[in-house]
Amino acid sequence: AQSVTQLGSHVSVSEGALVLLRCNYSSSVPPYLFWYVQYPNQGLQLLLKYTSAATLVKGINGFEAEFKKSETSFHLTKPSAHMSDAAEYFCAVTSDTGRRALTFGSGTRLQVQP
Amino acid sequence: NAGVTQTPKFQVLKTGQSMTLQCAQDMNHNSMYWYRQDPGMGLRLIYYSASEGTTDKGEVPNGYNVSRLNKREFSLRLESAAPSQTSVYFCATSFKTGNTEAFFGQGTRLTVV
Repeated sequence: AQSVTQLGSHVSVSEGALVLLRCNYSSSVPPYLFWYVQYPNQGLQLLLKYTSAATLVKGINGFEAEFKKSETSFHLTKPSAHMSDAAEYFCAVTSDTGRRALTFGSGTRLQVQP
Repeated sequence: NAGVTQTPKFQVLKTGQSMTLQCAQDMNHNSMYWYRQDPGMGLRLIYYSASEGTTDKGEVPNGYNVSRLNKREFSLRLESAAPSQTSVYFCATSFKTGNTEAFFGQGTRLTVV
């Protein structure tokens, strides 16, 4: 079985500050990890994904995440927050065995203060 | 290019009524999924179809049925709606299961009164 834990249901940062959204996973097989973003009243769109190549993954809109196997983590970061980053962010895990569908965390709502 | 299209966008049902949520994709993807999104719980998998002709249960299948009508279409049916099924429902597709990106529809907001 696989699962994802996102620490912090709400995170608030000032515009220009570092964004750090935390994700820890549990998987008995090599995982594939994803970050999705959801803007109000919209579906989810992919920010970035880890698929066992480089451990530091760069995504859209200046976001990046680092896969750390020893810590079972895949935290999302952005050096400088922009007002347009305000949204809900979901970490998800899957693998090439078992159900092979995305399992999502509970989400983190990011607020950006001017 | 429409991508993943869900209908309807909004629906209000009375307890015990039935309805079908429709999902169609023009991405030529093999795999399709139904998720429900509830506050504080993220997205939970209801059913999925790894390929045309197959369907499998996800985490929360009780009270739902699905039909993979063809490669493009995957419907979700509520036979007897309950207030606990009030949620936002998302259809998603991917080229295959496992290590591939999923693309999401805009969602159906369902309220059961």
